[in-house]
This record gives sequence, structure tokens and C-alpha cells, in this order.
Amino acid sequence: AQSVTQPDIHITVSEGASLELRCNYSYGATPYLFWYVQSPGQGLQLLLKYFSGDTLVQGIKGFEAEFKRSQSSFNLRKPSVHWSDAAEYFCAVGADNAGNMLTFGGGTRLMVKP
Amino acid sequence: DAGVTQSPTHLIKTRGQQVTLRCSPISGHKSVSWYQQVLGQGPQFIFQYYEKEERGRGNFPDRFSARQFPNYSSELNVNALLLGDSALYLCASSSLSVEQFFGPGTRLTVL
Repeated sequence: AQSVTQPDIHITVSEGASLELRCNYSYGATPYLFWYVQSPGQGLQLLLKYFSGDTLVQGIKGFEAEFKRSQSSFNLRKPSVHWSDAAEYFCAVGADNAGNMLTFGGGTRLMVKP
Repeated sequence: DAGVTQSPTHLIKTRGQQVTLRCSPISGHKSVSWYQQVLGQGPQFIFQYYEKEERGRGNFPDRFSARQFPNYSSELNVNALLLGDSALYLCASSSLSVEQFFGPGTRLTVL
């Protein structure tokens, strides 16, 4: 069975600092990987996804993620965090590249200090 | 264009009752998925429907059921509610092969 682990439950960074959110997955074949963001009172919004090709993928809002098969990881990064990035971030593995039947990690809550 | 809409926004039920949650997909989307998000956890996949047929089911008891209508809207039904069913229920719609979009959710509280 596929699974996703986000080791960090909470992360606090200063505005303007760089960010890396960790994600490890367990999946038998080539995984379809996703990062979503959830702001308070909002639905989930897709930041980026990976299913093949270049292992460094670019997403919206200045986020990027790198797929490392050898480490079963798909970490999310941003060079400079803005206060508006404070939210809950979820890594997920899907049944296909459209993100159907997602298995989510437990999430990482990001807080941004002024 | 309107996004995915869900109703009601919030509701409160007592243990043993039954509840029906509703979802209207984005126009043109034929697939609807349901997820349960317990407070402090990631969403868990419950069902996916495509063209009114069940396409996938997560690890949920038979108390959970769903259906999709000819206009592609969907209902999630939960019978014999338990305290543990308290959660945010998210609906997502897609064209199956294209990115899915999530609605704002229905917050269910079971007392």
C-alpha cells in the first residue's frame, strides 16, 4: 500500500528566509506526486506535481520540488518565504497524473515570523 | 466560472443520525471525489465517481455511501454517525485526466 510521511508537523521560518518541507513516500512503481496548500477556511490548492521527466519541478507561487527516487523523497522548497505563505502543506501520491485517489501525508503547518 | 461548491457549509448531528452532503462539480467535469479530513490530519480518500459509476473506494466502512447524478453532482451519505465521523468533508471535481479542483468543504460535527 502506498503511504506518505511528512516528518515535520510544524515549521516556523522568518519572512524572507528559505523554506524546505520534507516528504517521503512509499510506492511500488513510479509515483505520481503532488504538493497541495490549504489556507484556513480554504480548499486545497495544487502547488505542483511530478510524474516523469525532469526531477526538479516548478509550481505556482514560486515553489519548486525535487523528486529523489533513491531517497523516496519529494521535498518542497521556496527561496524566500512571504507572510502569505503561512498555511498547511500536504504532500500526496496519486493513482495517476491527474491526482485521482490521492493518499495524503499528515501535513506540515508553516508559520512565518515577521 | 464557478468552482466546486459544497453544501451545507457546516452542520451538527448527534450520534446515530444520518447525514447527506452535497457537491456540485465545475461545469464540464464528470468526475467527483470525496475526502474526509479529521482535524489535524491529512485528507483521506473515500470515493471517486465518474460518469455516475464508482471508480474507486477508500478504506471506509459501509456506513459511507455516495452517488452521482446525471448532472454530475454528487451526494455523500453517512449512516449511524459516530463521534469519529466529525471532520471536514472535501469534494473534488475533475475531467478525470486533468488536475482536480477541491471545494471548500463541509464541516460536520457529531455530538
